[in-house]
Amino acid sequence: GENVEQHPSTLSVQEGDSAVIKCTYSDSASNYFPWYKQELGKGPQLIIDIRSNVGEKKDQRIAVTLNKTAKHFSLHITETQPEDSAVYFCAAIANTGRRALTFGSGTRLQVQP
Amino acid sequence: DAGVIQSPRHEVTEMGQEVTLRCKPISGHNSLFWYRQTMMRGLELLIYFNNNVPIDDSGMPEDRFSAKMPNASFSTLKIQPSEPRDSAVYFCASNLGDYNYGYTFGSGTRLTVV
Repeated sequence: GENVEQHPSTLSVQEGDSAVIKCTYSDSASNYFPWYKQELGKGPQLIIDIRSNVGEKKDQRIAVTLNKTAKHFSLHITETQPEDSAVYFCAAIANTGRRALTFGSGTRLQVQP
Repeated sequence: DAGVIQSPRHEVTEMGQEVTLRCKPISGHNSLFWYRQTMMRGLELLIYFNNNVPIDDSGMPEDRFSAKMPNASFSTLKIQPSEPRDSAVYFCASNLGDYNYGYTFGSGTRLTVV
């Protein structure tokens, strides 16, 4: 089955700096890659996603890149703000086999004011 | 829309007791997922349903766990008997049923078994 690895496990940045979180996946059939943000006491919330026919997608301060050859994808947050502090999860899914998201282990991002 | 609704938000029970967690998916969503979140194992898929039918329950840890979806607007996850190692946050999520659309998660049920 799919295996998703996520790095780093913790990330501390100064307000206004950029943050990058990286994930790799094992199943070459995976073709949908969402990112979730989880705040304390809440469920994960979808913030951006990318499909395999696209190499990059941007939404305001958030962008995701995908390299299907290397089987890795990344989340980029620019001009970080204290409210970006949360745990971020990457995930992957294929259209064969188990059709349910496999999640990475999460990255705790702390933005220092 | 009120989103995915889970109840209870918190549950504390004694070892050996039966526990039932409940979920109401978003209206119109055809797929429902139960995940468990722990520090050690992260977010693990337990089971998922498509059009009320269980599709993959390979993540259910033991026979003590069971899940049902009697109709499109309600699902339960039951643990009987509960054990301290079942302590975790249990999330329910739903989506439109197409595999490449994001899930909407509920707020979770924090289960503590003492």
